[in-house]
Amino acid sequence: DVVMTQTPVSMSVSLGGQVSISCRSSQSLVHNNGNTYLSWYIQKPSQSPQLLIYKVSNRFSGISDRFSGSGSGTDFTLKISRVEPDDLGVYYCGQGTQYPFTFGSGTKLEIK
Amino acid sequence: EVQLVESGGGLVQPGRSLKLSCLASGFTFSNYGMNWIRQAPGKGLEWVASISSSSSYIYYADTVKGRFTISRDNAKNTLYLQMTSLRSEDTALYYCATTLGASYFDYWGQGVMVTVSS
Repeated sequence: DVVMTQTPVSMSVSLGGQVSISCRSSQSLVHNNGNTYLSWYIQKPSQSPQLLIYKVSNRFSGISDRFSGSGSGTDFTLKISRVEPDDLGVYYCGQGTQYPFTFGSGTKLEIK
Repeated sequence: EVQLVESGGGLVQPGRSLKLSCLASGFTFSNYGMNWIRQAPGKGLEWVASISSSSSYIYYADTVKGRFTISRDNAKNTLYLQMTSLRSEDTALYYCATTLGASYFDYWGQGVMVTVSS
């Protein structure tokens, strides 16, 4: 199984600041078809997870351009700029390149 | 607007069975893959099972293989998860989620709680 390792486990940021969350996979996430199925989700308090980014760097419908994804192979990063109060929650990376699909353990973002 | 509404959860004794349902609307259900993902209390996300649009392809996590069965009724726009031989470690909030794109989870339901306890 592909193990997804997220760092940091938690972080605190001031409003208007910028954060980066790292996600590393134990194997390359490049699919045989050439796509890399790395996605990012946010789970806000008491809510269901929501898709933010898919295939490394594509923002999902309605997602602010303050969120950006990058990376390749086994190393990926989610950046959030101009942090707003509504950004607080737990962020998960996930891989869909091979079954079983797996998620990172999450990064909790708190607002200072 | 895509909507996913799970139902069927509850308190069940170890070893017993339970069947979850997920009623979908707002998209052409029969065209897309669907998934179940769970979250134990205070824990992270765990993918459980996936099913393709026509039910031709089905995949399970090792933790539920042989005990859980994912299925769908495209005429009823409904996804199911039949859970048997339930264990305490199956206690979780179960989400259904769409795969409208490919290999990621576009939309999630609100979740349904399953508690396995004597």
